[in-house]
Amino acid sequence: AQTVTQSQPEMSVQEAETVTLSCTYDTSENNYYLFWYKQPPSRQMILVIRQEAYKQQNATENRFSVNFQKAAKSFSLKISDSQLGDTAMYFCASSDSGTYKYIFGTGTRLKVLA
Amino acid sequence: NAGVTQTPKFQVLKTGQSMTLQCAQDMNHEYMSWYRQDPGMGLRLIHYSVGAGITDQGEVPNGYNVSRSTTEDFPLRLLSAAPSQTSVYFCASSYTPGGGQADTQYFGPGTRLTVL
Repeated sequence: AQTVTQSQPEMSVQEAETVTLSCTYDTSENNYYLFWYKQPPSRQMILVIRQEAYKQQNATENRFSVNFQKAAKSFSLKISDSQLGDTAMYFCASSDSGTYKYIFGTGTRLKVLA
Repeated sequence: NAGVTQTPKFQVLKTGQSMTLQCAQDMNHEYMSWYRQDPGMGLRLIHYSVGAGITDQGEVPNGYNVSRSTTEDFPLRLLSAAPSQTSVYFCASSYTPGGGQADTQYFGPGTRLTVL
C-alpha cells in the first residue's frame, strides 16, 4: 500500500540556520512523484518542491532542496538560510502511477525563531 | 486566472443537515480531488475525478458524494452531516501527465465546516 510517514511532528530552527525535515514513503511502483507542500497560518497549501522518481538528481528550488534516496525510500527537505516566513506546516506527499491517488504525510510543524 | 476557488469559506451545520461544498478551477485540469484535514492526520483523500463523468473513492469516502458534469466543477455533497465530519475541506486540481497519476496539485483556500 502507498504510505507516507513524517516522524517529526514539530521542529524549530534559528533564523538563518539550516533545517532538515524527514519523510519516508512506501510504494510498489517504479514511476511516482514526490512533493513537499507548505501550509502557512493562512491555511493555503503551496508547493515547495517536486521530485520525479526516475530522475536521480535531487530537486532544488532556491533555498529548498531535497535528499532523495530511492532505495531507502527517503525524501527529506532541507531549508537553508531559514527565514521567519518559513514558519508553517510542511507536508510530504506521493503520487503513484496507475492509481491517481495522492497520499500525504501527517505533517511537520516548523517554527523559525528570531 | 482565479485558479481553484471554493465556497463557502466557513459553514456551521446541525447534525442531519445536508449541504454542498462548491469547487471550481479555470486551469483546464483533468484531475480534481477533495481532501479533509484533521489535526494530526494530514490531508486525507475523500474522492477524486480524472475527467467529466469519471469519479472514484479515496481513503475516506463514507458520508460524501461527488459528481463531475464539467471539467471546471467538482462539488462535494454531505448527505446527512455528522459531528465526525467537522473538519477543514480542501479542493485541488492538477494536470495528469499520463500513466495514471496526478502531478502538482493546486489547492483552493479551504472550507472550515463545523457540525453541531
